[in-house]
Amino acid sequence: QLQLQESGPGLVKPSETLSLTCTVSGGSISSSSYYWGWIRQPPGKGLEWIGSIYYSGSTYYNPSLKSRVTISVDTSKNQFSLKLSSVTAADTAVYFCARRIPKDWSYGYWGQGTLVTVSS
Amino acid sequence: SYELTQPPSVSVSPGQTASITCSGDKLEDKYASWYQQKPGQSPVLVIYQDTKRPSGIPERFSGSNSGNTATLTISGTQTMDEADYYCQAWDSSTYVVFGGGTKLTVL
Repeated sequence: QLQLQESGPGLVKPSETLSLTCTVSGGSISSSSYYWGWIRQPPGKGLEWIGSIYYSGSTYYNPSLKSRVTISVDTSKNQFSLKLSSVTAADTAVYFCARRIPKDWSYGYWGQGTLVTVSS
Repeated sequence: SYELTQPPSVSVSPGQTASITCSGDKLEDKYASWYQQKPGQSPVLVIYQDTKRPSGIPERFSGSNSGNTATLTISGTQTMDEADYYCQAWDSSTYVVFGGGTKLTVL
């Protein structure tokens, strides 16, 4: 059974860089069929796609966040990571990692999510 | 940038049919997906590629997409279906875009 688990600091100071890791178990991140992604949800609000990555390192980013986002993959650890720079209170959200279904942009498997609060 | 619009809320009586709409420019030219999210939980994909149900999703969930509107239909709605529902599509300029979400109330 595929499982995704987000990890990282729950509190980040304004202007600093948010860093999260998603550890994949029960499947290989190097599978040629799948893209892996990050989605966030501010408290009480809707979903916002951040970006996605293929095991080869190919990435797609939300244009509204592109200047601040880096998504990377570590196939040796079966992990992929998110870095969001210059954070503000508006970046406070639950951050989900997820796996796209093959040949589609929908996300069929999701992690449980982790709340990141931006505050001094 | 591409946008998807959903009604903030929809109400339905148990056993009746619920319809949740998602509007976007020429949406029929794109694939629409739908997610169910209950409080404190991660989203669950219930429809993808307009009409397909992932394994384990009940048959009462169905989808359609025509013109500028995609629709999620829940037949014989149950109290357990009360949740927030989000549509999603792909656009060449914004890649993945989500609708604002619809709160389905079953009462």
